[in-house]
Amino acid sequence: QSALTQPASVSGSPGQSITISCTGTSTDIGGYNSVSWYQQHPGKAPKLMIYDVSNRPSGVSNRFSGSKSGNTASLTISGLQAEDEADYYCTSYTSITTVVFGGGTKLTVL
Amino acid sequence: QVQLQQSGPGLVKPSQTLSLTCVISGDSVSTYSDAWNWIRQSPSRGLEWLGRTYYRSKWYKDYAEAVKSRISINPDTPKNQFSLQLNSVTPEDTAVYYCARGRCATDSCHFDYWGQGTLVTVSS
Repeated sequence: QSALTQPASVSGSPGQSITISCTGTSTDIGGYNSVSWYQQHPGKAPKLMIYDVSNRPSGVSNRFSGSKSGNTASLTISGLQAEDEADYYCTSYTSITTVVFGGGTKLTVL
Repeated sequence: QVQLQQSGPGLVKPSQTLSLTCVISGDSVSTYSDAWNWIRQSPSRGLEWLGRTYYRSKWYKDYAEAVKSRISINPDTPKNQFSLQLNSVTPEDTAVYYCARGRCATDSCHFDYWGQGTLVTVSS
């Protein structure tokens, strides 16, 4: 099972919006509404930011939103802040190996 | 507040068994809506789901194909913890290992609480 495809890096200035894409196939993203997104700061464990495509856990800022179209999911961060600088990973449930992760995207806040 | 506390050796010799434990507080390993997972992260392989155990009237275990022949994840109900054993390790198994609580339904799963991570190095 190949990892989901994410851009290696994205960047934006404070206050701007950015979108990170996550592309899979019909056996993962396209087949289930089970995409989740994680934020990871250096040396820390990943933190759940979005689950089931577009749901935010309690305590996560509403600046974070998720969506899906076909085999591609997206994470949008609006009103970029310095503390958003981190690595972001998508995951999806899959018919083959239960859970598959994306390769990760490094977000730089300029 | 759910907390997961990992423990286990940081150095394992090639061909030996990697063993880690994850102690759960604020939840029960037997909770019906939860699944208890092991995930690892390395520069070469990124984040990789290894497997899970969960209780739905009986205990179930699912493992990633890549490690299925070498892995065992076991619950310990009296101690409210679960463990990972990975046999016949090689340097390719060097990674940071995380335990994580999964909120998993029939065809969905996300990880809302994570352990602190344990760097395990496989080296002689």
